[in-house]
Amino acid sequence: NAGVTQTPKFRILKIGQSMTLQCTQDMNHNYMYWYRQDPGMGLKLIYYSVGAGITDKGEVPNGYNVSRSTTEDFPLRLELAAPSQTSVYFCASSYSRTQRIRHEQYFGPGTRLTVT
Amino acid sequence: AQSVAQPEDQVNVAEGNPLTVKCTYSVSGNPYLFWYVQYPNRGLQFLLKYITGDNLVKGSYGFEAEFNKSQTSFHLKKPSALVSDSALYFCAVRDLRTGNQFYFGTGTSLTVIP
Repeated sequence: NAGVTQTPKFRILKIGQSMTLQCTQDMNHNYMYWYRQDPGMGLKLIYYSVGAGITDKGEVPNGYNVSRSTTEDFPLRLELAAPSQTSVYFCASSYSRTQRIRHEQYFGPGTRLTVT
Repeated sequence: AQSVAQPEDQVNVAEGNPLTVKCTYSVSGNPYLFWYVQYPNRGLQFLLKYITGDNLVKGSYGFEAEFNKSQTSFHLKKPSALVSDSALYFCAVRDLRTGNQFYFGTGTSLTVIP
């Protein structure tokens, strides 16, 4: 299994541009998550999904959108890039048979995004 | 209020000595607690978790952690540190009040000195 893969690894955007960060997992996990990691701030949850067709906001959703049309894919969309969105973005997935999630998350390698 | 706190940004320890990386939490009920490790330019890797049962949990690479409900802590420990343990460590908690969200601490950078 490849696990969780993310593309691209690096990207530089100009203010106002848009882009989609791709995330794919091949472990048949039902839960998927997007985090951003800023220095000294830990990880902040942007959006998550409990299954295909279902998404929900996390702590910091403003400026982002997601979709989950398949179990495997969970793309993150930035519509109007702003310097405040400069960060490292991590996708993660986990599996739970019930709402009481007790399983660990598997993380992708990250996408380093700079908005100038 | 923060659900999880890592009070030390940096921990230095000599190779072969025991190490402790601290984590405290502030959630109601019975928390689900996790430790992850992050090596440079990599994603987070799962080390261990506490869900229920024995307060001492053992994980990958010789790490263990003790759940202490009275002190609301979940410190990560290893009896003998290796240089290769140098990395960034994150504590995370699932707050059952907020459903499906996990909250991460700000991370502790561990340096093991040869």
